[in-house]
Amino acid sequence: AQTVTQSQPEMSVQEAETVTLSCTYDTSESDYYLFWYKQPPSRQMILVIRQEAYKQQNATENRFSVNFQKAAKSFSLKISDSQLGDAAMYFCAYRSANTGNQFYFGTGTSLTVIP
Amino acid sequence: AAGVIQSPRHLIKEKRETATLKCYPIPRHDTVYWYQQGPGQDPQFLISFYEKMQSDKGSIPDRFSAQQFSDYHSELNMSSLELGDSALYFCASSLGSYLYGYTFGSGTRLTVV
Repeated sequence: AQTVTQSQPEMSVQEAETVTLSCTYDTSESDYYLFWYKQPPSRQMILVIRQEAYKQQNATENRFSVNFQKAAKSFSLKISDSQLGDAAMYFCAYRSANTGNQFYFGTGTSLTVIP
Repeated sequence: AAGVIQSPRHLIKEKRETATLKCYPIPRHDTVYWYQQGPGQDPQFLISFYEKMQSDKGSIPDRFSAQQFSDYHSELNMSSLELGDSALYFCASSLGSYLYGYTFGSGTRLTVV
């Protein structure tokens, strides 16, 4: 089965600075999707960024970008110019492109933004 | 290592029927969360339980109810099913505060026909 690992339970960053959250995954599939979700205290899950495994170009959404290393099965999230509103729990997730019924989530990284 | 177990993996029900989804948290985890993810949508938080008491409530329809039992497993009961209830239902568990990390199950795919 696929596994997703987030090895950083907690991270902190100074406001306006850059932080990188790490995620690794294990799969034998070649076609899949990777996601970063943000979870504020409301517990809602908000999609931050998504990457298709067949795309070599790293996905970018405004201040959020990923470093997708397919061979290394690594999918880190970089948050630039961190803002107070970025403070939340961040989850990395994997979904097969072939059997899309299942999502696999990491255990989350709690990000604190220091004013 | 033991993970969060959800059963069944797949479920097909007809409109107006009832469905029960089960979630078995990681041993010693005392908090359970339920999420619903419709096609192409972000997971939506439904409800959570801590020590067998409801701790937080999200966008759970009145037709749904849930509880956490003495062994900490949880069940989500869904009545008068509608086509729009077709979704992936996730359960997650944690020990105490979510700040210590969640562990998600791999979900139950509910299809209402």
